[in-house]
Amino acid sequence: DAGVIQSPRHEVTEMGQEVTLRCKPISGHDYLFWYRQTMMRGLELLIYFNNNVPIDDSGMPEDRFSAKMPNASFSTLKIQPSEPRDSAVYFCASSFGKNRNTIYFGEGSWLTVV
Amino acid sequence: AQRVTQPEKLLSVFKGAPVELKCNYSYSGSPELFWYVQYSRQRLQLLLRHISRESIKGFTADLNKGETSFHLKKPFAQEEDSAMYYCALSGNTDKLIFGTGTRLQVFP
Repeated sequence: DAGVIQSPRHEVTEMGQEVTLRCKPISGHDYLFWYRQTMMRGLELLIYFNNNVPIDDSGMPEDRFSAKMPNASFSTLKIQPSEPRDSAVYFCASSFGKNRNTIYFGEGSWLTVV
Repeated sequence: AQRVTQPEKLLSVFKGAPVELKCNYSYSGSPELFWYVQYSRQRLQLLLRHISRESIKGFTADLNKGETSFHLKKPFAQEEDSAMYYCALSGNTDKLIFGTGTRLQVFP
């Protein structure tokens, strides 16, 4: 397995534009997590899914952020409209079951909003 | 509420010096605690977990329930240890909560 795959790896966009980040979890994993990494706040959990169903989105900062998981092999995190303060690295991670020893991270999507 | 605190944003040491990265947690039940490491421009990866009581790359961490701490230690730092280190907590939910991270710089 190639691991958790994220795209794009890097994106630079103008304020006000829509940004869509994509994630393909490891096959067979039933949990998917979206994290945001910034210098000031470290790694923040935005939302996570279990069996494609959103379980906890309390970390989603604003209504501008939305996430979907239409099937077991694909998830998106959308920001509309984007703002400069959204600039961060967004990580997707997946795991099997409730065993947090088996959580695997993608390489991240580096977002810059100018 | 579950919370992880890493008080130091940056820790700088010279090669061969001892290292201790601090982690304190807040959780009323029995936690599962982890240390993750992120080398420059690489993905986050698991370093060690408290339940296995293992030593990875010379690092160890002991859970101290009385002090609610899970500090990461290494007796002799190496230059290749330079990275971002995150302490993480898994409680009674499915979530893995991370601290804000500590950047370790090991100078030659």
